[in-house]
Amino acid sequence: NAGVTQTPKFQVLKTGQSMTLQCAQDMNHNSMYWYRQDPGMGLRLIYYSASEGTTDKGEVPNGYNVSRLNKREFSLRLESAAPSQTSVYFCASANRLNTEAFFGQGTRLTVV
Amino acid sequence: GESVGLHLPTLSVQEGDNSIINCAYSNSASDYFIWYKQESGKGPQFIIDIRSNMDKRQGQRVTVLLNKTVKHLSLQIAATQPGDSAVYFCAEQAAGNKLTFGGGTRVLVKP
Repeated sequence: NAGVTQTPKFQVLKTGQSMTLQCAQDMNHNSMYWYRQDPGMGLRLIYYSASEGTTDKGEVPNGYNVSRLNKREFSLRLESAAPSQTSVYFCASANRLNTEAFFGQGTRLTVV
Repeated sequence: GESVGLHLPTLSVQEGDNSIINCAYSNSASDYFIWYKQESGKGPQFIIDIRSNMDKRQGQRVTVLLNKTVKHLSLQIAATQPGDSAVYFCAEQAAGNKLTFGGGTRVLVKP
């Protein structure tokens, strides 16, 4: 099993450009999450989806949108990228309440 | 909003000694807690978890302690090894499967 797969692994954007970060999991998990991690910092929750068909804001949702396309896929969209969104983005999934989340390898995004 | 352990301190440990990493959480409604290890350039990896109806749980070389009275979580690593050098994060889960992380602690193991 691949687990949680994120694409792309690296991306450079110009200020104002848009892009979508893709995340897919093959573990039939119900919940999926998007986090950002700035250098030397912890992970901050952007959005999460407790189950297929639902999405909720996390700690830092401004400037982002998400789509839970189906049970496997949860995408994160930046409509107009800003330098402050330069970060490493992690996607995660979890099976059910009170079970650990599994993480992808991250997408390193630079906005210039 | 609710938050978990906002600091990122560094803990230097001699190889073979025990390590203790601490985490404070603020959401009294959280009922599930996880410790993750993150190595450079990688995503977080699960170490051990504990539910709110427990105060201690042991794994292989690791023990998690939960003190709900003071909202404190700790991770103990026995006989710390060079491979334990990483950043360690605590995370809490509240209603609706919302999973939030603390700022982490960097552990450096000295040979």
